[in-house]
Amino acid sequence: DGGITQSPKYLFRKEGQNVTLSCEQNLNHDAMYWYRQDPGQGLRLIYYSQIVNDFQKGDIAEGYSVSREKKESFPLTVTSAQKNPTAFYLCASKGSLNEQFFGPGTRLTVL
Amino acid sequence: GQNIDQPTEMTATEGAIVQINCTYQTSGFNGLFWYQQHAGEAPTFLSYNVLDGLEEKGRFSSFLSRSKGYSYLLLKELQMKDSASYLCAVRDQNTGTYKYIFGTGTRLKVLA
Repeated sequence: DGGITQSPKYLFRKEGQNVTLSCEQNLNHDAMYWYRQDPGQGLRLIYYSQIVNDFQKGDIAEGYSVSREKKESFPLTVTSAQKNPTAFYLCASKGSLNEQFFGPGTRLTVL
Repeated sequence: GQNIDQPTEMTATEGAIVQINCTYQTSGFNGLFWYQQHAGEAPTFLSYNVLDGLEEKGRFSSFLSRSKGYSYLLLKELQMKDSASYLCAVRDQNTGTYKYIFGTGTRLKVLA
């Protein structure tokens, strides 16, 4: 079955630690995106990639980094520089109607 | 600037019809999308409008008026499983790149 997978589903991190969230898709989509969702707020764009080996900062990129070495994979690293990293992180890819296909999400909690 | 407004919460009765409104302001409109998101889950795509008018898809329909910066999602024959948040999103073009701007979502409660 085609789709987007994210792992892990739940992640706990101590303050000061970097952590990497995985996102894999087998939909053969070029464009991929990372969002974070906080209670009472809309999805906010962290980073996006239109094509392999290329990515751009979104609206809230500070404290995050990404790579896009393969078409299928778009991992997100939450660094210790991110001041408030506890959130629900969603990865997405863009379909033929320009709609977003979302992965199941990773809920990150900083202890 | 870029902005999307939609009601925070709505309540309706099973079997009824509900209309969720969305107004937007963007500089480079390139399509409006509706997503359904159940609590704790990822959003799923419902509908897409790029031209003015009504798009119907089973029990769900979506309307767009670009001149008014307005869209609505119409849900007919409501079922309990329709209780979810409904996200309005606009695809915006700016300096050759495309980004998606999401509203905060409308939480719909369907009562028996």
